[in-house]
Amino acid sequence: GAGVSQTPSNKVTEKGKYVELRCDPISGHTALYWYRQSLGQGPEFLIYFQGTGAADDSGLPNDRFFAVRPEGSVSTLKIQRTERGDSAVYLCASSSNSGGGYTFGSGTRLTVV
Amino acid sequence: GQQLNQSPQSMFIQEGEDVSMNCTSSSIFNTWLWYKQEPGEGPVLLIALYKAGELTSNGRLTAQFGITRKDSFLNISASIPSDVGIYFCAGRSSNTGKLIFGQGTTLQVKP
Repeated sequence: GAGVSQTPSNKVTEKGKYVELRCDPISGHTALYWYRQSLGQGPEFLIYFQGTGAADDSGLPNDRFFAVRPEGSVSTLKIQRTERGDSAVYLCASSSNSGGGYTFGSGTRLTVV
Repeated sequence: GQQLNQSPQSMFIQEGEDVSMNCTSSSIFNTWLWYKQEPGEGPVLLIALYKAGELTSNGRLTAQFGITRKDSFLNISASIPSDVGIYFCAGRSSNTGKLIFGQGTTLQVKP
């Protein structure tokens, strides 16, 4: 597609539930990134993929968070047993390589109640 | 998590004024980037800097990569109302795609 697409744009879930957030990168981009942005803060790195493999997952806060990119295109960020502190905007970005600036999607606003 | 120190936190200026904001880090970066974010949207890349001392312009925006590789600044000349938004600096170390972001500078422009 023309840009990075993230779905859903908004998600409200109850504490303890499981959620999946989807990212469709720009076609042909090999690198894909997930960031989390809390209110009034800059984006915080979670994980990045080069192709199908996670090149760096050092930002995932704990084992409730997991991300996959099985065919090297679409990626899904999965959060188990959600907590209220997981509420944030989850941003996805992609790039044609890992050395330049990248293009962000509009994000998924996750609210855990 | 690790973040850059970005200042000022917010600015409220008159249309036509010039604006300057900067970022400092305790770590050396090989790339500095400046992004702008508007409500409900993801950050949009404004300028990318790849070499220490580099000075790059994009229209009314000018950014520099500090010689020490631990700082960068962004200038906006002759501000206009559509410059309103949150500006983020971001730095990248070598051999990684991961960016570290500053806390952002919120810019408001009074017509």
